[in-house]
Amino acid sequence: DIQMTQSPASLSASLGETVTIECRASEDIYNGLAWYQQKPGKSPQLLIYNANSLHTGVPSRFSGSGSGTQYSLKINSLQSEDVASYFCQQYYNYPLTFGSGTKLEIK
Amino acid sequence: EVQLVESGGGLVQPGRSMKLSCAASGFTFNNYDMAWVCQAPKKGLEWVATISYDGSSTYYRDSVKGRFTISRDNAKSTLYLQMDSLRSEDTATYYCARRANWDWYFDFWGPGTMVTVSS
Repeated sequence: DIQMTQSPASLSASLGETVTIECRASEDIYNGLAWYQQKPGKSPQLLIYNANSLHTGVPSRFSGSGSGTQYSLKINSLQSEDVASYFCQQYYNYPLTFGSGTKLEIK
Repeated sequence: EVQLVESGGGLVQPGRSMKLSCAASGFTFNNYDMAWVCQAPKKGLEWVATISYDGSSTYYRDSVKGRFTISRDNAKSTLYLQMDSLRSEDTATYYCARRANWDWYFDFWGPGTMVTVSS
């Protein structure tokens, strides 16, 4: 199975700041990576797919990058509505696996 | 508008069975592969099972193989998850999710239904 190691587990930042969340795969996943946002009490929502493609309707302050085994999600100009947990998911191979999540809070 | 609505969760005793349903609307259900993903309380997401658009192919995580069965009724635009021999570690919120067109990530999720396995 491909293990997805996500960091940090939690993050506190100020409004307007830029934050970065990392995801490392245990083997090359050839950009088969998605990022999801999950607000408290809600289901996950797709943000990024193919490592760097923005899903329809997602604000452009979200961006994804990376290749091979290392990937990251960047949020520019942090806003209050970005308070959520963020998860990466690899879909290069079965079983589909997720990172353990990053909980983002506002300072 | 795409909608996925799960139902059928609740409290069940270990070793018993439960069947979840997911009613889909707002898109052509029989054009899309579908999946179940679960999330234990305060934990991360875990893929459970997937099914092809016509039901001909299914895949399961190892821990549910032989106990869970994913199926679909395209005439009713409904996805199912039959869960047998339930264990306490199956306690989670179960989400129905739609596979995006070209790859195995999920572009729409339902709100989820909670399954609690406890005596």
